[in-house]
Amino acid sequence: GQNIDQPTEMTATEGAIVQINCTYQTSGFNGLFWYQQHAGEAPTFLSYNVLDGLEEKGRFSSFLSRSKGYSYLLLKELQMKDSASYLCAVGSNDYKLSFGAGTTVTVRA
Amino acid sequence: DTGVSQNPRHKITKRGQNVTFRCDPISEHNRLYWYRQTLGQGPEFLTYFQNEAQLEKSRLLSDRFSAERPKGSFSTLEIQRTEQGDSAMYLCASSSGTGNTGELFFGEGSRLTVL
Repeated sequence: GQNIDQPTEMTATEGAIVQINCTYQTSGFNGLFWYQQHAGEAPTFLSYNVLDGLEEKGRFSSFLSRSKGYSYLLLKELQMKDSASYLCAVGSNDYKLSFGAGTTVTVRA
Repeated sequence: DTGVSQNPRHKITKRGQNVTFRCDPISEHNRLYWYRQTLGQGPEFLTYFQNEAQLEKSRLLSDRFSAERPKGSFSTLEIQRTEQGDSAMYLCASSSGTGNTGELFFGEGSRLTVL
């Protein structure tokens, strides 16, 4: 099974940087995903890591360390529209995704 | 293609009634997933299909729940004798399942309220 931990809430100021950490324990690892979910909406894909290291995509970057069972999502130059829940998800060899409870990020002016 | 489509978007029912949700995945996707999400939690895996075959069912899926994907295209999720604890958002997702990252594309969800 999967055990995925991430902080419940984070608050940051517009223009700042926020780092959301995720730790996991899993069998049959097949990638680490980050999804964004605005209130009342479906989760949308942000990033995918399967090898160790940093993946950068615009204002968002994601890092993975497989040996430590650790990932983080870095949000730079925060905008008000970035206020959302960020879900860490672990992929398994049978192509399922198991999700953490999500981190609610609130961006303040 | 407009993405994953789910209906109804909202359903309010009385305890003990049966409800059915439908999901139309992205047309070229052969994998289809059902998840359940309650407030403040991440999506919880319920079941998934590859084409018409149901490959796995979660322990969360009691015998009151049944899912089908008869022709490997759309899927239905039926809940019989609903209970108040079934109130949740039911999310459907699909993926192409061939040589990709395994990214799931989610529908907008069907929100169930059991009174």
